[in-house]
Amino acid sequence: ETGVTQSPTHLIKTRGQQVTLRCSSQSGHNTVSWYQQALGQGPQFIFQYYREEENGRGNFPPRFSGLQFPNYSSELNVNALELDDSALYLCASSRGLAGPSTDTQYFGPGTRLTVL
Amino acid sequence: QQQVKQSPQSLIVQKGGISIINCAYENTAFDYFPWYQQFPGKGPALLIAIRPDVSEKKEGRFTISFNKSAKQFSLHIMDSQPGDSATYFCAASVEGTRGADGLTFGKGTHLIIQP
Repeated sequence: ETGVTQSPTHLIKTRGQQVTLRCSSQSGHNTVSWYQQALGQGPQFIFQYYREEENGRGNFPPRFSGLQFPNYSSELNVNALELDDSALYLCASSRGLAGPSTDTQYFGPGTRLTVL
Repeated sequence: QQQVKQSPQSLIVQKGGISIINCAYENTAFDYFPWYQQFPGKGPALLIAIRPDVSEKKEGRFTISFNKSAKQFSLHIMDSQPGDSATYFCAASVEGTRGADGLTFGKGTHLIIQP
């Protein structure tokens, strides 16, 4: 088991609503990455936060936003939910920015979001 | 555009057999190729990884073979066991971006090892 925790485990929202997902990184890790995993697909990179700043972003619209706090925990916010946002949202923490080969990304169990 | 293509989508192997999963990539800037294992209800966990300066890496029953010219890499699981039943993802990243581009994953292979 990794030390990465996510909450809530499951969430049901309706189209147009807003949602906030939370992630606590593993002890000693200052970098958090968020991924979206649609059913039957591989995870897709949303963005990464390093020391409270967004370090990089994948091909996701601005209604996907994030925050990282001084204790390195993080939030993923999604506004104006669409049906296609239904997915497992994964966060992964790592020690730093050396890249995944040096700073292994440890994934949490995810939050299952269903948009009706 | 899918930058990492993974096959097969699903695979059934008898206990003790060899499981082989293949991936092909398009972006020649990729320089780190990990494999992740995911069990139901869990997040992906790093299994084994390779850099393009070597053609093969072995850890226990798990081996990655890498062909830079063909832009392909594969995972071999020797002496496959029922506990290996899981979904396997290949991935790739560009280390020089310091993680800013994240990992690019394949679509996954659902592996079932029959007793």
